[in-house]
Amino acid sequence: NAGVMQNPRHLVRRRGQEARLRCSPMKGHSHVYWYRQLPEEGLKFMVYLQKENIIDESGMPKERFSAEFPKEGPSILRIQQVVRGDSAAYFCASSLSGSGNEQYFGPGTRLTVT
Amino acid sequence: AQSVTQPDIHITVSEGASLELRCNYSYGATPYLFWYVQSPGQGLQLLLKYFSGDTLVQGIKGFEAEFKRSQSSFNLRKPSVHWSDAAEYFCAVDTLHNDYKLSFGAGTTVTVRA
Repeated sequence: NAGVMQNPRHLVRRRGQEARLRCSPMKGHSHVYWYRQLPEEGLKFMVYLQKENIIDESGMPKERFSAEFPKEGPSILRIQQVVRGDSAAYFCASSLSGSGNEQYFGPGTRLTVT
Repeated sequence: AQSVTQPDIHITVSEGASLELRCNYSYGATPYLFWYVQSPGQGLQLLLKYFSGDTLVQGIKGFEAEFKRSQSSFNLRKPSVHWSDAAEYFCAVDTLHNDYKLSFGAGTTVTVRA
């Protein structure tokens, strides 16, 4: 059973471009979480999604960031008009159901904005 | 503001020696507490967690952690490290007891020398 897959593993974007990060949860998991790790800091919760629903986006920046988890296909974290401060590692996790279940993490996508 | 502190950025330990990684949290109530490990190129893997009850928690790979309320600490220990324990270790808390919105420390990198 494959684990949580994230791609790309490394992404370089120029300021002003868009970044799309993909996360495929573990088979059978319908709950997805995104976390961001800024340099020298711990992972910070961004958003919690179920299929076609955003459950909690309290950790998402108000502008330029959006996330979706469609009925078919991976979850997408989208960052529009990237700035240097968006450079970070973005981790996705999935779980079988909601709270009370272990989150399984992907290897992360390292975004560099030049 | 709530925070999770891992005071040691990097620890080097000899194979076979004991290991202790420190974690302190700043929060009024007792949160749920977790330790994760990340090997190079891999996702985060849950080592152990504490919700309530016995303050000494056993985890996978021979790790254990002890919750000390008076010190707001949740230190991770292993009596005898193996070369395969070289990795980055993250302490995390769930302050809302909803088990998905985790706050992480900045991590401790462990190097194991022969």
